[in-house]
Amino acid sequence: DTGVSQDPRHKITKRGQNVTFRCDPISEHNRLYWYRQTLGQGPEFLTYFQNEAQLEKSRLLSDRFSAERPKGSFSTLEIQRTEQGDSAMYLCASSFDSSHQPQHFGDGTRLSIL
Amino acid sequence: QQQVKQSPQSLIVQKGGISIINCAYENTAFDYFPWYQQFPGKGPALLIAIRPDVSEKKEGRFTISFNKSAKQFSLHIMDSQPGDSATYFCAASPTGGYQKVTFGIGTKLQVIP
Repeated sequence: DTGVSQDPRHKITKRGQNVTFRCDPISEHNRLYWYRQTLGQGPEFLTYFQNEAQLEKSRLLSDRFSAERPKGSFSTLEIQRTEQGDSAMYLCASSFDSSHQPQHFGDGTRLSIL
Repeated sequence: QQQVKQSPQSLIVQKGGISIINCAYENTAFDYFPWYQQFPGKGPALLIAIRPDVSEKKEGRFTISFNKSAKQFSLHIMDSQPGDSATYFCAASPTGGYQKVTFGIGTKLQVIP
């Protein structure tokens, strides 16, 4: 399977704990995006990488959130001191590095905060 | 604020009928308009996309109509099938060096036999 892969698929944790998610994009894709999707809503942009450079972060990405893409391949999204409001589906997408290229999404990591 | 407004939020269509989902936008910097289909437990999958230099794009049973002056676009699903039952998102992204996609709220489509 050469699609976008995300791990884990589900994460249940207690409030206050730290969690980390991993995304493996399609190998030829330079661009990598993180989105958050809550129930009954469309995905909301969080941050974007071109190769290893993080080029934009949404206001939704508080100081508790950090994302990395150290070698321009896989990416991690870490949430520190999780809160109830962090419960959501975290989606990763990737695309080629040119205008109007479609983004290909993974199946997401569903985070539940107890 | 909702930059891409989508309606209806839910839609029930009989098998063989036409499903129509409408979207509107305000940001004139948007110039790429994809539609995504999402099944429960899965990520969004690109269905069809259009740029504003064309007024219509058709791929199989799926057609996008685009009205640049009204800043509106719509998805038509012809001969709707139960397998089309899913949530559909319209989206938009601007010109520039990257594509930050802004999604609509989604339309949950149910096609009944």
